[in-house]
Amino acid sequence: QVQLVESGGGLVKPGGSLRLSCAASGFTFSDYYMSWIRQAPGKGLEWVSYISYSTSYTNYADSVKGRFTISRDNAKNSLYLQMNSLRTEDTAVYYCARSGWAGEAISWGQGTLVTVSS
Amino acid sequence: EIVLTQSPGTLSLSPGERATLSCRASQNLSSSYLAWYQQKSGQAPRLLIYGASGRATGIPDRFIGSGSGTDFTLTISRLEPEDFAVFYCQQYDTSPITFGQGTRLEIK
Repeated sequence: QVQLVESGGGLVKPGGSLRLSCAASGFTFSDYYMSWIRQAPGKGLEWVSYISYSTSYTNYADSVKGRFTISRDNAKNSLYLQMNSLRTEDTAVYYCARSGWAGEAISWGQGTLVTVSS
Repeated sequence: EIVLTQSPGTLSLSPGERATLSCRASQNLSSSYLAWYQQKSGQAPRLLIYGASGRATGIPDRFIGSGSGTDFTLTISRLEPEDFAVFYCQQYDTSPITFGQGTRLEIK
């Protein structure tokens, strides 16, 4: 069955960096777009970024553009999110999602919590 | 950016009743790329409906998506106890992808 397992979350100071990882299994990873979606504590969902099958296309929310970088390694069935210049408003659970080419999130991981605080 | 407005904010119903959730877009979704997700407390969201009316794999047929243009509806024909949760709509028709603020479906 499809499994998506995020890791790399934690507590970081404002201005700091963090790299999230997502290990995928149970499907052909290179056949799917992949996305990161986040949810601040007690709030709704916010799309962050997605990446095409072969990394040729990426897209970002304006709120993270220039600070976050999405990448993938199809040989390792892994998705990544490099987060730089973190702000307190980036505090959220970050979900990795297997996505359709248009952007719908077909399967979700359980999420990893990122807390940005001094 | 396309803004999605969900209504009502909270819906209180009993098992066996019919639920109707609304999602209105600030601009026309020309390709009807509208999805619905269910999120239970402490869990990740789950895709229910894609393309406005397509049911995702394993989703019971009591979940029905409809609509086009700017007005979309998720209907749960007969509520089961496990259906109570928060529901989000998402448009992926136009970048950036956006979500509605959610509708909480609670047991009356």
